[in-house]
Amino acid sequence: DTGVSQNPRHKITKRGQNVTFRCDPISEHNRLYWYRQTLGQGPEFLTYFQNEAQLEKSRLLSDRFSAERPKGSFSTLEIQRTEQGDSAMYLCASSLESGGYTEQFFGPGTRLTVL
Amino acid sequence: GENVEQHPSTLSVQEGDSAVIKCTYSDSASNYFPWYKQELGKRPQLIIDIRSNVGEKKDQRIAVTLNKTAKHFSLHITETQPEDSAVYFCAASIGGNNRLAFGKGNQVVVIP
Repeated sequence: DTGVSQNPRHKITKRGQNVTFRCDPISEHNRLYWYRQTLGQGPEFLTYFQNEAQLEKSRLLSDRFSAERPKGSFSTLEIQRTEQGDSAMYLCASSLESGGYTEQFFGPGTRLTVL
Repeated sequence: GENVEQHPSTLSVQEGDSAVIKCTYSDSASNYFPWYKQELGKRPQLIIDIRSNVGEKKDQRIAVTLNKTAKHFSLHITETQPEDSAVYFCAASIGGNNRLAFGKGNQVVVIP
């Protein structure tokens, strides 16, 4: 499968624990995005990377959330001190930016449940 | 602002009829408008997109129209089939960074 992959697919954790998710984009894609999706809502932008540089973070992203893309390939999203309100599907998407808008390809998501 | 709104929230159509979903956006700088289809338990997948330099684009049974003056764009699905049943999300680019703001989605149900 040469599409965007995410691991784990499901994560159940207790409130207050830290969790980390991984996203592997399509290999030649230089842009990587993280979104959060809750039931009945569209994907909500969290942050994005151009290669290894994190270019924008949503105002909604609390300081408990951190994302990295150390070598411009895979990315990790960490949530510290999880809260029940963090329960959601976390989607990763990637695109090949070449001076104009291009399709973002989504991964299957990581479903987080905070008990 | 970054609001993208979709109407209606749920749409039921008889198989073979047409479905139309409308979206409005608030950012006058938006110039890229994709539509994604998400089936239950699956990832969103792009079905069609349009850029601000065109007013309409068609791909087989799917078409999108854009009215930049009114800040709205619509998805048209003709000759609907049961496999068209899904949630459809519209989105609009924000600023110049290819960041997308998504609507809340429309549940389309095609009745056989």
